[in-house]
Amino acid sequence: GEDVEQSLFLSVREGDSSVINCTYTDSSSTYLYWYKQEPGAGLQLLTYIFSNMDMKQDQRLTVLLNKKDKHLSLRIADTQTGDSAIYFCAEMPGQGAQKLVFGQGTRLTINP
Amino acid sequence: NAGVMQNPRHLVRRRGQEARLRCSPMKGHSHVYWYRQLPEEGLKFMVYLQKENIIDESGMPKERFSAEFPKEGPSILRIQQVVRGDSAAYFCASSPSPTNQPQHFGDGTRLSIL
Repeated sequence: GEDVEQSLFLSVREGDSSVINCTYTDSSSTYLYWYKQEPGAGLQLLTYIFSNMDMKQDQRLTVLLNKKDKHLSLRIADTQTGDSAIYFCAEMPGQGAQKLVFGQGTRLTINP
Repeated sequence: NAGVMQNPRHLVRRRGQEARLRCSPMKGHSHVYWYRQLPEEGLKFMVYLQKENIIDESGMPKERFSAEFPKEGPSILRIQQVVRGDSAAYFCASSPSPTNQPQHFGDGTRLSIL
């Protein structure tokens, strides 16, 4: 089946690194995504990784994929107040399905 | 170029009325997806459309909900005889092709049922 799990809350100090974790169940997933949602807004695509990759880095963002454990993480370096938001992990299941399956979202809070 | 455009941003309806939500995909995108987000939850897939075709409606409730993406004009998500449980944020996404391309989302329509 298709299921994506995330912890609901994460609190970090400004300037520290944030690591948001996600597990998924569909081993045939082709792509995995991270989206950011600020209050009252839509989803902003942050980054995505193809399932045959282990890591992808894009400026302050690093995505790590452990396909064996079906574990995905997003690391935000030097976390800033503007990073406060809900972060959603999503998978694109295989077998030709075009729908995204989302986790519940992790609310990231930045402490001064 | 504007991104995915959804309107209205907020929609208030009384129980029993109809709600019509519109979505214009990004320029060059011919694939549209609708998702629903209940309060404090993640997004749940509803329907995937191409121009004039419904490709996958496995997430759509069987009654009262319908979607279309006509040859001309925006995609429409229509909810007839709305009930309180339909209160949610409805997001539209688009992509240029269905495979190997990320979906880009609009800002959503927040539907409130009185």
